[in-house]
Amino acid sequence: DTAVSQTPKYLVTQMGNDKSIKCEQNLGHDTMYWYKQDSKKFLKIMFSYNNKELIINETVPNRFSPKSPDKAHLNLHINSLELGDSAVYFCASSSGRAETQYFGPGTRLLVL
Amino acid sequence: GQQLNQSPQSMFIQEGEDVSMNCTSSSIFNTWLWYKQDPGEGPVLLIALYKAGELTSNGRLTAQFGITRKDSFLNISASIPSDVGIYFCAGLPNTGNQFYFGTGTSLTVIP
Repeated sequence: DTAVSQTPKYLVTQMGNDKSIKCEQNLGHDTMYWYKQDSKKFLKIMFSYNNKELIINETVPNRFSPKSPDKAHLNLHINSLELGDSAVYFCASSSGRAETQYFGPGTRLLVL
Repeated sequence: GQQLNQSPQSMFIQEGEDVSMNCTSSSIFNTWLWYKQDPGEGPVLLIALYKAGELTSNGRLTAQFGITRKDSFLNISASIPSDVGIYFCAGLPNTGNQFYFGTGTSLTVIP
């Protein structure tokens, strides 16, 4: 029944490792997003995909690479993890680029 | 990108009190959304506003689309402990095709 799901919920890893976060939505939406929420709780958009095509790519280090195998999935791969990557990462989806977004439960990433 | 300023940044109130918060932008917006983020969860949509001057309620929550189209307000009446969380506004500029999020208002309700 979960509309937007993310795995894992918690991720603890060492600096320098490569990790992936997965996101799936069962709402039939065309657009998906990745947000980063830092310790001050600001929500900052990272990427947006519409029908599997990248449409928003904010200033994000190229260690972050999103991949959308199909409309229902948007995964985030992070290479060479750094301490500053520690944050909560949220996936969201919407029926269109200018439509209401629905968020997943978040992935809490801690880089040691 | 667009800057959305939310005020206040944080609030500590007694249970039963009413709460008011607002969100302002430097440009005109077509849509305003209000979300609530419970501790340890993702933001959940509370209210959506589509027209200047619109006033919409969801239980004890009431939100308004400012008449200038550059601001929006959220009020919570008779607060209860489960109102605790971070409230985010999000706006769609009239010249844009993506939503921008505010800086958040953290609400603490003291029983």
